[in-house]
Amino acid sequence: KNEVEQSPQNLTAQEGEFITINCSYSVGISALHWLQQHPGGGIVSLFMLSSGKKKHGRLIATINIQEKHSSLHITASHPRDSAVYICAVPDYGGSQGNLIFGKGTKLSVKP
Amino acid sequence: DTAVSQTPKYLVTQMGNDKSIKCEQNLGHDTMYWYKQDSKKFLKIMFSYNNKELIINETVPNRFSPKSPDKAHLNLHINSLELGDSAVYFCASSQDADRGQFFGPGTRLTVL
Repeated sequence: KNEVEQSPQNLTAQEGEFITINCSYSVGISALHWLQQHPGGGIVSLFMLSSGKKKHGRLIATINIQEKHSSLHITASHPRDSAVYICAVPDYGGSQGNLIFGKGTKLSVKP
Repeated sequence: DTAVSQTPKYLVTQMGNDKSIKCEQNLGHDTMYWYKQDSKKFLKIMFSYNNKELIINETVPNRFSPKSPDKAHLNLHINSLELGDSAVYFCASSQDADRGQFFGPGTRLTVL
C-alpha cells in the first residue's frame, strides 16, 4: 500500500516569495493529485498530473515518476495563497482506485 | 451552479442516533466518493462507488453505509453514532481516475 510523505509540514513565507512543497510516495503511480484546502475548509483540486509539469497561473506542479516525487511551486506568493496543500496518490499504485492523502502542508503567507 | 453539493453543512446530534448526509453532483460523473477528515485534518477515503462497484475502506465500521438512489447521488448513512464519528465528511466525484476529483464543501458532524 502506498505511503505519502509531504514536507514541510508548516511553512511561513513573506508575500512575493517563491514557495516549494514536496511530496514523495512509495508505490509507483501514474497519476498524482494536488489539493488545496482553504481556511474555511473547502477543498479544491489543483492539479492531477502523470508526468512532467503542469502550470495554472502562479501554481506549477512537477512530477518525477522514476523518483516517486512531486513538487508544488507557487511563484510570487500572496496572502490569499494561505491554505493547506495536500498531495494524494492511488492507494495501490497505478492510476485507479482510492486516493490516500499526505498530511498536508500548512502555508501562511504574510503581507 | 455548484458542481458537488452536500447537505447539511453542519450536523449536531446525540450519541446513538442515526443520521444521513446527502451528496449530489451535477457533473455527470460516474464515480463518487466519501472521505472523512478527522480532528488532525487527515483525509481518509471511506467509500468509492460507481455503477458497477462499491469499494469500501476496510477500516470503516459497518455502521456507515453509502446509498446511491441514482448516478448523481451518493448519500452517507450512519447508524448508532459514536463520539469518534465527529469529523468533517467530504463527498467528491470524478469521471474517471485520470481526470481528478471535485470535492463538495464538506459536512461538519458533531456527536454529543
